[in-house]
Amino acid sequence: KNQVEQSPQSLIILEGKNCTLQCNYTVSPFSNLRWYKQDTGRGPVSLTIMTFSENTKSNGRYTATLDADTKQSSLHITASQLSDSASYICVVSALTGTYKYIFGTGTRLKVLA
Amino acid sequence: NAGVTQTPKFQVLKTGQSMTLQCAQDMNHEYMSWYRQDPGMGLRLIHYSVGAGITDQGEVPNGYNVSRSTTEDFPLRLLSAAPSQTSVYFCASRTRGGSDTQYFGPGTRLTVL
Repeated sequence: KNQVEQSPQSLIILEGKNCTLQCNYTVSPFSNLRWYKQDTGRGPVSLTIMTFSENTKSNGRYTATLDADTKQSSLHITASQLSDSASYICVVSALTGTYKYIFGTGTRLKVLA
Repeated sequence: NAGVTQTPKFQVLKTGQSMTLQCAQDMNHEYMSWYRQDPGMGLRLIHYSVGAGITDQGEVPNGYNVSRSTTEDFPLRLLSAAPSQTSVYFCASRTRGGSDTQYFGPGTRLTVL
């Protein structure tokens, strides 16, 4: 069964600190992995996308890594800001005729001043 | 570009009522999808369309209908609302390529009493 699991469920950090969010998946056949940021009351917004051959992808203070062998990904946030408070969703695409997206339940991050 | 727009933003229905959630995109995307987001669960695909006149079911299609008469619009119809359909609904669009970014609308929060 295709699954995407994220940890932790929630996280509280102080402004300026770094944090790392985890995503483990069992999706086959794997096509790509995306990280989305979802602010409260808004739709998800894409941060990064990685294909099988990519190990790391950065978008400003956000750096995503992918280990296709262990089927794990992480999203590292550097020097957190109050505006980073949001849910972060890991999404894995499977190529099954048409592309199928399997969504994780997200990690809710709160950054405190 | 307005991107993906959804109306209404909030809606309260009584059990048995019907309504249409509107979705429009101005990016000339071929692929459009409807998702629902429930607490503690990842986004789940309701219906999707790969082009005007072509629609197909996702993983939770029961109780919903869609049509795609133009590239821009992809309305979602609730035939007879039930409390189990209380959720936040997101419309999304993307181009044909599987690695392309999926753009989400701002969501419609629906409550069925």
